[in-house]
Amino acid sequence: DAGITQSPRHKVTETGTPVTLRCHQTENHRYMYWYRQDPGHGLRLIHYSYGVKDTDKGEVSDGYSVSRSKTEDFLLTLESATSSQTSVYFCAISDGTQVGYTFGSGTRLTVV
Amino acid sequence: KQEVTQIPAALSVPEGENLVLNCSFTDSAIYNLQWFRQDPGKGLTSLLLIQSSQREQTSGRLNASLDKSSGRSTLYIAASQPGDSATYLCAPETGSARQLTFGSGTQLTVLP
Repeated sequence: DAGITQSPRHKVTETGTPVTLRCHQTENHRYMYWYRQDPGHGLRLIHYSYGVKDTDKGEVSDGYSVSRSKTEDFLLTLESATSSQTSVYFCAISDGTQVGYTFGSGTRLTVV
Repeated sequence: KQEVTQIPAALSVPEGENLVLNCSFTDSAIYNLQWFRQDPGKGLTSLLLIQSSQREQTSGRLNASLDKSSGRSTLYIAASQPGDSATYLCAPETGSARQLTFGSGTQLTVLP
């Protein structure tokens, strides 16, 4: 979507390696979110940020960490990737008012 | 914890039919409710956002209603077309971080 980009779009990594996914926005929105989408589970919240350096855990945060050093960037790190973290990861932004969410195009991560 | 249920899980209809997709949620203390569509292998596209003070919202052939007190929202699709084939997701916005909670979606197939 315009205003939000995720990188990389696809990644294959080995079990035990660290992985960082990047979400970049140009909308200057306050809130940023990381979700994962898996068959049978739908979209689940991993972590979110409500400002620079302000982050909190979501429903499925174990094994993940995040950082937000600038308004426009929100990084998701898998400290030591496991096969259970194979998923499609979506970043989303919101300005916290009545505009609603905008989602990125997603990152397909495969852990082998 | 917010829980979202979407009925039916799947729907197959001939072109031209009017459709009703149902969404129910357990926590009525929502800010907004957003409907999305997702095409296979793609990201989420926002269709409609209903503010908690609104009863309905319309965009073209789509109309979404919200009954916050009973925890229900309905998406009406008029004169369905094959291009409407996708998964439709309902997501109420709750909590201090205004996070979205997703249902499992309704997979719609419109046959030519």
